[in-house]
Amino acid sequence: AQKVTQAQTEISVVEKEDVTLDCVYETRDTTYYLFWYKQPPSGELVFLIRRNSFDEQNEISGRYSWNFQKSTSSFNFTITASQVVDSAVYFCALSEENTGFQKLVFGTGTRLLVSP
Amino acid sequence: SQTIHQWPATLVQPVGSPLSLECTVEGTSNPNLYWYRQAAGRGLQLLFYSVGIGQISSEVPQNLSASRPQDRQFILSSKKLLLSDSGFYLCAWVPPGLASIDTQYFGPGTRLTVL
Repeated sequence: AQKVTQAQTEISVVEKEDVTLDCVYETRDTTYYLFWYKQPPSGELVFLIRRNSFDEQNEISGRYSWNFQKSTSSFNFTITASQVVDSAVYFCALSEENTGFQKLVFGTGTRLLVSP
Repeated sequence: SQTIHQWPATLVQPVGSPLSLECTVEGTSNPNLYWYRQAAGRGLQLLFYSVGIGQISSEVPQNLSASRPQDRQFILSSKKLLLSDSGFYLCAWVPPGLASIDTQYFGPGTRLTVL
């Protein structure tokens, strides 16, 4: 069965620190997709990134970077030089290729608190 | 561009009262639609999904039901609310075509408190 584990419940950092959010997944499929979403205090989930299982290249988008390692079944998310606006709950999610619909399995989320 | 709306934004209801939450998507046709619930301090649980008008699949047995009366409208209902129905309800959509592998986009959510 699919499973996503975000072992870090809450992380507190001071502005400008780098922080890494961990995500470990379990799946039996060879084709699958990994996602990160951000949930700010307003509640709406904001899509950050999608990765397919055949693309292990790390990705960088501004201060955000993602490290996908199939060997350890991990898809970690790093924020460089964190800012107060990064404070949110971050969810990692997994979906397997399916016919007709997509089913996301979410981790329990990591709450990031960035203080000035 | 596509947008997704949910209303109401917040709702306080007494136990035993009915519920109707609405989700609509603009700017697309035949999307796959989803209802999720997020209990306080917890992750997201998929409640229902729909691949077309009148086609609803339920993920977990519960006190809630869903309907899709129009292509871009998804409704979450209950005849009698329970305290355990409190939570944050999120609607999501996936573009048609590559629905099985594409990205889900979420609405702003409805915060429901059952007293």
